[in-house]
Amino acid sequence: NAGVTQTPKFQVLKTGQSMTLQCAQDMNHEYMSWYRQDPGMGLRLIHYSVGAGITDQGEVPNGYNVSRSTTEDFPLRLLSAAPSQTSVYFCASSRAGLNYGYTFGSGTRLTVV
Amino acid sequence: AQRVTQPEKLLSVFKGAPVELKCNYSYSGSPELFWYVQYSRQRLQLLLRHISRESIKGFTADLNKGETSFHLKKPFAQEEDSAMYYCALNSGGSNYKLTFGKGTLLTVNP
Repeated sequence: NAGVTQTPKFQVLKTGQSMTLQCAQDMNHEYMSWYRQDPGMGLRLIHYSVGAGITDQGEVPNGYNVSRSTTEDFPLRLLSAAPSQTSVYFCASSRAGLNYGYTFGSGTRLTVV
Repeated sequence: AQRVTQPEKLLSVFKGAPVELKCNYSYSGSPELFWYVQYSRQRLQLLLRHISRESIKGFTADLNKGETSFHLKKPFAQEEDSAMYYCALNSGGSNYKLTFGKGTLLTVNP
């Protein structure tokens, strides 16, 4: 099993550009989430999904879009990149159920200049 | 609103000393709490779940509902324990949204 796979690992964007961060999991997990990690801020939830076709906003959704057309994939789209979106982005997945922990991907380090 | 507070950004101890990483939470329902660890240049990993009452790598954590705390403890710290530790709360019920604290960077000195 590959677990949770994120691509790319590193990306530099210019302000105003758009891009999609890819996330795929091969564990048949129902739940998937996107977090951003910033120094001194911990991890903040951007968007999450409890199953294919179902998504909802987290704590910091502005400027990001998601969709969940399959159980395996949960891409995160940056609509018009801004320097404030410079961060490390983590995708995570979990089995349905109240006490299963999330499995995290290795992260995407994004710099917006 | 649900909140997780880790009051210490940095914690430094010597090898062999006891270590306690503090976590306090604010939640009106029945809490589901977790500890995650991130070693240098690695992804976050689940360390402990309060429901399982387990000991992983010598770490334990007890849920204290009266004090709304879920502190992580280890009696004898090892250098390989140096990492960033995050406390997390399931704040979405069946929707399973994890709310994280800001993390504590633990350094274990030789």
